[in-house]
Amino acid sequence: QSVLTQPPSVSAAPGQRVTISCSGSSANIGSEYVSWYQKLPGIAPKLLICEDNKRPSGIPDRFSGSKSGTSATLGITGLQTGDEADYYCGAWDRSLSAGVFGGGTKLTVL
Amino acid sequence: EVQLVESGGGLVQPGGSLRLSCAASGFTFSTYDMHWVRQVTGKGLEWVSVINTAGDTYYADSVKGRFTISRENAKNSLYLQMNALRADDTAVYHCTRGVTGGLDSWGQGTVVTVSS
Repeated sequence: QSVLTQPPSVSAAPGQRVTISCSGSSANIGSEYVSWYQKLPGIAPKLLICEDNKRPSGIPDRFSGSKSGTSATLGITGLQTGDEADYYCGAWDRSLSAGVFGGGTKLTVL
Repeated sequence: EVQLVESGGGLVQPGGSLRLSCAASGFTFSTYDMHWVRQVTGKGLEWVSVINTAGDTYYADSVKGRFTISRENAKNSLYLQMNALRADDTAVYHCTRGVTGGLDSWGQGTVVTVSS
């Protein structure tokens, strides 16, 4: 079981908007930054969102991050077939003194 | 351009050892925390270990006492010494650079297979 909880899958049509949730605790999301990653098969993970809601250079503004309390959300607008991937949230956990990831969410663009 | 290139993976018997290396280039290696993250085929990402710029180290419970992370700043290199390997350590191991609130650069990974 992952320390951070994500839905196993989400789906939406091209052009639509989707959100992916990530639930944790006061030891991680509630007190540390959340990051989001896109993982395609055979390709290294890509950082989409850091520091809860900041997009690294080169990440389109279709991707957004937010956080409230012990939960975080990744939003993707204007869905494209190329967005089909696994998405992971991550954070540092103060109690564990370790990094933690969510179990991953598979996005299907119908 | 930031580059991280892992090496050292391979097939090893249960109970055996491997040493992974990560060659870094394109940035001032000594000023960044460096992490190892692994992914079992068909499973999710699992954080393994970090070494910060001061040399402090932290580990996932699943590898504590068996794995040792280290760095050699003069060689822009990160290492992961893996001992007492188990079947459930079989995974792709990625070297990744830590920045504030995230891991911004990742290597392609090196495959570790633990099997008799």
